[in-house]
Amino acid sequence: EAGVVQSPRYKIIEKKQPVAFWCNPISGHNTLYWYLQNLGQGPELLIRYENEEAVDDSQLPKDRFSAERLKGVDSTLKIQPAELGDSAVYLCASSQTIGTHEQFFGPGTRLTVL
Amino acid sequence: QKEVEQDPGPLSVPEGAIVSLNCTYSNSAFQYFMWYRQYSRKGPELLMYTYSSGNKEDGRFTAQVDKSSKYISLFIRDSQPSDSATYLCAMSDRGSTLGRLYFGRGTQLTVWP
Repeated sequence: EAGVVQSPRYKIIEKKQPVAFWCNPISGHNTLYWYLQNLGQGPELLIRYENEEAVDDSQLPKDRFSAERLKGVDSTLKIQPAELGDSAVYLCASSQTIGTHEQFFGPGTRLTVL
Repeated sequence: QKEVEQDPGPLSVPEGAIVSLNCTYSNSAFQYFMWYRQYSRKGPELLMYTYSSGNKEDGRFTAQVDKSSKYISLFIRDSQPSDSATYLCAMSDRGSTLGRLYFGRGTQLTVWP
């Protein structure tokens, strides 16, 4: 079974530029999460989707961050414009909605903003 | 004060040692407690999951939850170099698929041969 796929794995951009991250969850997983992990810190939830619906986006900085999951499968997280403080690892995770407490994480996208 | 506190270490032990990792929390509504392991340049993977108070054992790993003290622990017996990773505690008030997961900052563990 393929795991959560994320691309790109690494991205270096200059501040004020836009950037986008892509995530393909495990097949059949209805719930998808985007997390931000700063160096030396644990992951922090940015947004959670149940199918196409964003059910928890209270931690998403909506002035510059946006996300979509149009067909309830893969998802894109965008930052526009990027700031120096956005340098971090962006993790995507997925889980089955019912009957499990486990979230499966992708390898993350490491963003460096110069 | 963060909702979940975890000593970042680093912790360095010889192979075969017993390792004790722990977290404290402030939210008494937390009922679901998890330990994730994260290797360098990888995403976290679930290691142990417990509901409410008590102990849970899985091979060399034992998770303990003391809700009265708001304190959780992970013990690793007969530690191996392959256990070298960052260990993250995580907790939720409604289960990880229904409620938000709150992570500790992680403890970096190195097991040397």
